[in-house]
Amino acid sequence: GENVEQHPSTLSVQEGDSAVIKCTYSDSASNYFPWYKQELGKGPQLIIDIRSNVGEKKDQRIAVTLNKTAKHFSLHITETQPEDSAVYFCAASIKGNTPLVFGKGTRLSVIA
Amino acid sequence: ETGVTQSPTHLIKTRGQQVTLRCSSQSGHNTVSWYQQALGQGPQFIFQYYREEENGRGNFPPRFSGLQFPNYSSELNVNALELDDSALYLCASSVGINTGELFFGEGSRLTVL
Repeated sequence: GENVEQHPSTLSVQEGDSAVIKCTYSDSASNYFPWYKQELGKGPQLIIDIRSNVGEKKDQRIAVTLNKTAKHFSLHITETQPEDSAVYFCAASIKGNTPLVFGKGTRLSVIA
Repeated sequence: ETGVTQSPTHLIKTRGQQVTLRCSSQSGHNTVSWYQQALGQGPQFIFQYYREEENGRGNFPPRFSGLQFPNYSSELNVNALELDDSALYLCASSVGINTGELFFGEGSRLTVL
């Protein structure tokens, strides 16, 4: 089955700097890659996703890139703000076929 | 707010006991997935219910069971609790099977002593 590896496990950045979180997946059939943000005491919330027919997707300060050949995808957050501090999870699935498999998460701390 | 509500928010049980967790899905969503999130880990898929039938199950023993009701709400039952069952149990609703975009509740924190 699918296996998703996520790095780094923790990340500290200064406010205004960029943050990058990277994930690799094992199943070349996976075609859907969402990113979730989990704040303390809350459930994960979808922030952006990408399908395998797209190489990059951007939504304001957040962007995701996908390299199907290398089987890895990344989350980029620019101009970080203290409210970006949370745990971020990447996930992968075969859309319509398999459930989401999550990485272990990255704890992002944005220092004001 | 996702519109997915879970109860109870916290509970403490002892080894060998049984627990039932409840989830109300977002309006218009017909699919409920349950995930277990151990401390410091990502959510792990337990099973999914679509139109009251189990549709897919992760690597969890049969003592983890579930139900979905006609109004699409759902229950997760765990029998013969073990210490390792201590975790945050997340319910997520969606429209259709394995569509990817999940709307999570805030979870039920289970502690097994």
